[in-house]
Amino acid sequence: GQQVMQIPQYQHVQEGEDFTTYCNSSTTLSNIQWYKQRPGGHPVFLIQLVKSGEVKKQKRLTFQFGEAKKNSSLHITATQTTDVGTYFCAAQGAGYSTLTFGKGTMLLVSP
Amino acid sequence: DSGVTQTPKHLITATGQRVTLRCSPRSGDLSVYWYQQSLDQGLQFLIHYYNGEERAKGNILERFSAQQFPDLHSELNLSSLELGDSALYFCASSVMTGGYGYTFGSGTRLTVV
Repeated sequence: GQQVMQIPQYQHVQEGEDFTTYCNSSTTLSNIQWYKQRPGGHPVFLIQLVKSGEVKKQKRLTFQFGEAKKNSSLHITATQTTDVGTYFCAAQGAGYSTLTFGKGTMLLVSP
Repeated sequence: DSGVTQTPKHLITATGQRVTLRCSPRSGDLSVYWYQQSLDQGLQFLIHYYNGEERAKGNILERFSAQQFPDLHSELNLSSLELGDSALYFCASSVMTGGYGYTFGSGTRLTVV
């Protein structure tokens, strides 16, 4: 089945530093979605990327979809303590199959 | 409140027992998905229902089953429970079968002792 690799597994930054997590699929995707799960919480949908090379921004968060629609990244500029949590990418293959989640990147931000 | 309701929030049961987890999707959503989350395996897809019909199965054990009722709520039945079944079980819903973000419930934490 579809495999989604996400790196790094864990990152600890100082508040104000930037953060990036990467997601790679073994197959070409219909779309990729990003979710955030706060400690003790549930995954919350952040964004969906559909087009090849697409870039979307949400305040300090920048999401990119690769030209080949096989990889994606999430970049946070100037992290804040409120950014703490696990960020998951979730890939949807051809025919809008169900989402396959990466294992997530846990972000810890120290003040 | 995400709009997806899961009950119970916590469940502690013994090995060999059977439990039922319940999920009410967000109003207007026809698709319901069940995921299992454990520390080492991340979010594992179990099963997907759309408007009462099973649409896809993931790595769901034969001891597990699910259904979606006419009012669109869904139940996940776990039987002959083992210690390894201890995990967080999430239900998520979406409007259609694909191309839309999922709305997750707050989950049911199952502990098998």
